[in-house]
Amino acid sequence: EVQLVESGGGLIQPGGSLRLSCAASGFTVSSHYMTWVRQAPGKGLEWVSIIYSGGGAGTYYANFVRGRFIISRDNSKNTLYLQMNSLRPEDTAVYYCARVPVTTDAFDMWGQGTLVTVSS
Amino acid sequence: QSALTQPASVSGSPGQSITISCTGTSSDLGSYNLVSWYQQHPGKAPKLMIYEGSKRPSGVSNRFSGSKSANTASLTISGLQAEDEAHYYCCSYAGTNTYVFGTGTKVTVL
Repeated sequence: EVQLVESGGGLIQPGGSLRLSCAASGFTVSSHYMTWVRQAPGKGLEWVSIIYSGGGAGTYYANFVRGRFIISRDNSKNTLYLQMNSLRPEDTAVYYCARVPVTTDAFDMWGQGTLVTVSS
Repeated sequence: QSALTQPASVSGSPGQSITISCTGTSSDLGSYNLVSWYQQHPGKAPKLMIYEGSKRPSGVSNRFSGSKSANTASLTISGLQAEDEAHYYCCSYAGTNTYVFGTGTKVTVL
């Protein structure tokens, strides 16, 4: 079955760090672009970051996370990651990983999401 | 990166057609034909409904159609059904390897 399963969310204090994981099955993460999208409680979707396919995979970020978040992948584990540092209360959201077929620039498969709550 | 503008809500009766607009700028939506639309039911992950402005992924009903003109994209749902009640989001490539979502529209089936 082709699917994405996120994990790693939880309650974290402001200024803390958290690493989210997104395990893929049924396809190869390294062969696709992969992205993170978040959704604050009761709010809309917000694009966070993307990692391109291939050996020299480029990584790109939304302005509001640049310098704080790092997207990466482990090809041997077929898993995507989002390292989140210097977390702020406004980073509280459900974080979704999604697959981006290189031919479409659209997010064609999504995980179920993992909730990150930044609060003291 | 400012969010694309969508109406907060749109409603229609079963069987009717509704259209959701998505307005951007010449820097994002107006510069690329890379608009996608997502349906999201409460508590669920988004689902891709339209990509590249007007293409439907396999398995998506042909009641859903998309179009784009200048800085505005549109999603039309024909033959509205109860299961279409959900939030809908547009998304566009915004240049420099970034993307931007719309503000979201709640569709209500009366």
